[in-house]
Amino acid sequence: KAGVTQTPRYLIKTRGQQVTLSCSPISGHRSVSWYQQTPGQGLQFLFEYFSETQRNKGNFPGRFSGRQFSNSRSEMNVSTLELGDSALYLCASRGQGRDYGYTFGSGTRLTVV
Amino acid sequence: DQQVKQNSPSLSVQEGRISILNCDYTNSMFDYFLWYKKYPAEGPTFLISISSIKDKNEDGRFTVFLNKSAKHLSLHIVPSQPGDSAVYFCAASLQAGTALIFGKGTTLSVSS
Repeated sequence: KAGVTQTPRYLIKTRGQQVTLSCSPISGHRSVSWYQQTPGQGLQFLFEYFSETQRNKGNFPGRFSGRQFSNSRSEMNVSTLELGDSALYLCASRGQGRDYGYTFGSGTRLTVV
Repeated sequence: DQQVKQNSPSLSVQEGRISILNCDYTNSMFDYFLWYKKYPAEGPTFLISISSIKDKNEDGRFTVFLNKSAKHLSLHIVPSQPGDSAVYFCAASLQAGTALIFGKGTTLSVSS
């Protein structure tokens, strides 16, 4: 079956702009999580959505937001971009039950200049 | 305040030997622990997991050990292969929630 698809793969934005990243989970997966990976901080949890509702939120400023649609696809938005937002943004989906095996997409590499 | 810590940024091992990657955590409420492997320009790939009610889980060359009293877990890879060279992330989740909390990763280099 198809994996987690993230678009676009690469993105260059200017400081102050906003950006929207997209994630299509594995078919049947209703939970979608977003992570930010930077060289010094590893993977940091942004938020998780389940059935269109935000279920968990990490410690990021309000400039970072997300949503999930009825087909489980998710988008992440970052407004007023800062240079420090340059990172690899990863999306992961998982099925229900005690299967904690999150499946990650390949990520979107965002560069803010 | 980092709840999951991988104190060794890198580890070098010879092919055929054992690789031991370590992870410490501070939150005793963590219920489930996972290891992920990541190659550059790819997303992390799930390797192996362990529930807090167990102290060992094995899958082929990979074994995870959990010491709850020490809040410590380790991943053993035996025998190590050059293809194992990657960044390894330890992650944990709370019983009542689903968010994974990751460590900063350990870069494993296996030389032939």
